Amino acid sequence: DTGVSQNPRHKITKRGQNVTFRCDPISEHNRLYWYRQTLGQGPEFLTYFQNEAQLEKSRLLSDRFSAERPKGSFSTLEIQRTEQGDSAMYLCASSLFLGTGTSNTEAFFGQGTRLTVV
Amino acid sequence: KQEVTQIPAALSVPEGENLVLNCSFTDSAIYNLQWFRQDPGKGLTSLLLIQSSQREQTSGRLNASLDKSSGRSTLYIAASQPGDSATYLCAVRKYNDMRFGAGTRLTVKP
Repeated sequence: DTGVSQNPRHKITKRGQNVTFRCDPISEHNRLYWYRQTLGQGPEFLTYFQNEAQLEKSRLLSDRFSAERPKGSFSTLEIQRTEQGDSAMYLCASSLFLGTGTSNTEAFFGQGTRLTVV
Repeated sequence: KQEVTQIPAALSVPEGENLVLNCSFTDSAIYNLQWFRQDPGKGLTSLLLIQSSQREQTSGRLNASLDKSSGRSTLYIAASQPGDSATYLCAVRKYNDMRFGAGTRLTVKP
């Protein structure tokens, strides 16, 4: 399967614990995005990378959240000191950016990681 | 700030009907608009991408239109099937992130 892969699919953790999620994008895609989705809502943008550079972070991304894409391939999203309000589906997407002035290409999403904080 | 609205929030139709899902957005200066399908508890599957310079895209039984000046897009599904039951999301891209609507939950009854 050459699509976007996310691990784990489900994570249950106790409040206060740290969790880390992984995303493997489509191999030739240089852009990688993280979104959060709560029940009944559309995904909300968290952050995105172009290659290994984190170029934008949403105000939703509090200090407890950190994302990395160390070699411009896979990415990790870590949440420290989890709170019940962090319970959500965390979605990763990737796309190929061809440069300013060109059409943006299609974004492809993974299956998501569902986080439950108890 | 870009606001994306999808109407209706839920729709139930008998199998075989043609149907239209609506998406509206407040800022017409977009790069593109993408329609997705989401099954319960799953990720998003891309259906159609319309660039800002295009007016419509077709894939099989699906046809999406874009009227950028009025801030509207529609997704037309022909001859609906029970397998089409899912939540349909539209997303508009301006700059580097996509803004999503809350989706339309579609149920196609056999």
